[in-house]
Amino acid sequence: SAVISQKPSRDICQRGTSLTIQCQVDSQVTMMFWYRQQPGQSLTLIATANQGSEATYESGFVIDKFPISRPNLTFSTLTVSNMSPEDSSIYLCSVSTRTVRSTGELFFGEGSRLTVL
Amino acid sequence: GENVEQHPSTLSVQEGDSAVIKCTYSDSASNYFPWYKQELGKRPQLIIDIRSNVGEKKDQRIAVTLNKTAKHFSLHITETQPEDSAVYFCAASTSGTYKYIFGTGTRLKVLA
Repeated sequence: SAVISQKPSRDICQRGTSLTIQCQVDSQVTMMFWYRQQPGQSLTLIATANQGSEATYESGFVIDKFPISRPNLTFSTLTVSNMSPEDSSIYLCSVSTRTVRSTGELFFGEGSRLTVL
Repeated sequence: GENVEQHPSTLSVQEGDSAVIKCTYSDSASNYFPWYKQELGKRPQLIIDIRSNVGEKKDQRIAVTLNKTAKHFSLHITETQPEDSAVYFCAASTSGTYKYIFGTGTRLKVLA
């Protein structure tokens, strides 16, 4: 299993500002992902955080808006830039130990609930 | 890219009855299909999963079936209990990108 610490757990932000969310895992993991979950909605993949290189973004998400870092195998950050009320959501860090030879469970952090005024 | 559809969006059953949630996926390269349960205010938690080389898997009251030809998989919960009330998400993943694409979710309500 993997224990994920994510912070902040919640924050209220002003329009136009940026906020960085941190994700720390208690063990080295192969894959780290960032998801967004809007109220009552599904889990939407923002990007795959690649260790030592640029993140791989999904359609509809761009690096300028959601810059991601992953300096090592246990830590990643997601920044939500130039926030607007539409960015109000829960942002979830997730990790997987999945490889070609093993299934690997996807674990989630507790999430960061952002409210943009 | 992968697209996962999930039905129904809401489901109400009487305690003790069975519940079935269905998902379809689009990418034939997907080979791993987990199901997650999310209780209100909590993170999603894995409840059962299935790989593409298996047609069915069971764990006590829950089971998952997979039809690779039709590209659909289903979650079956028998003898439902009030604590089964939650939102359930299916997901699909490939061994190429290892990313997990989630369905739209099913809100299950078990009525006592």
